[in-house]
Amino acid sequence: DIQMTQSPPSLSASVGDRVSITCRASQSISNHLNWYQQKPGKAPKLLIYAASNLHSGVPSRFSGSGSGTDFTLTISSLQPEDFASYSCQHSYNTPWTFGQGTRVEIK
Amino acid sequence: QVQLQESGPGLVKPSQTLSLTCSVSNDSINSRFYHWSWIRQPAGKGLEWIGRIYTSGNTNYNPSLGSRVTISVDTSKKQFSLKLSSVTAADTAIYYCTGVGGQLGYGYYFETWGQGTLVTVSS
Repeated sequence: DIQMTQSPPSLSASVGDRVSITCRASQSISNHLNWYQQKPGKAPKLLIYAASNLHSGVPSRFSGSGSGTDFTLTISSLQPEDFASYSCQHSYNTPWTFGQGTRVEIK
Repeated sequence: QVQLQESGPGLVKPSQTLSLTCSVSNDSINSRFYHWSWIRQPAGKGLEWIGRIYTSGNTNYNPSLGSRVTISVDTSKKQFSLKLSSVTAADTAIYYCTGVGGQLGYGYYFETWGQGTLVTVSS
């Protein structure tokens, strides 16, 4: 199985900050990397697919980059509604696996 | 837009079979989604992909669950289902059904999610 490692596990930031979360795959996954946002008690929501493509309706302050094994999710200016957990997921082959998540908290 | 809703018992006894159904509304089950998946999340932990089913009935499962998992589809009812046998406390989790989208060269992604249903394994 391909292992997905996210860092950091959690971070504290203020509204307006630029925030970056990284995801590393245990082997090359090309661009088959997706990002999800999850708020407490809610189902995850797709943010970014294929490493850098913004899902419909997702604000443009979210962006993704990377290919191969190293990927980054960036929030250009953190908004109050962005405090949540973020997870990466590969779809290179099955079993599809997720990172353990990064919790973004209010500083 | 398509909506998904999980249903099934919230409490299952150890060694028994967990059974959940996902109902698809506001769209055909033979829609733009490539296939349908189940995902679970133990409390405070990460997400785990359980398996997927195409509307043709073809399936793929996570080997971590061995032969315990079965996913089926009933296109006439616009539903797909999950069965997980011989459950233990480790199977206690929120279970989500999802619609899987994708594009050539972009891989697959979990585009639409149900709200999730908590299943507790306990005697």
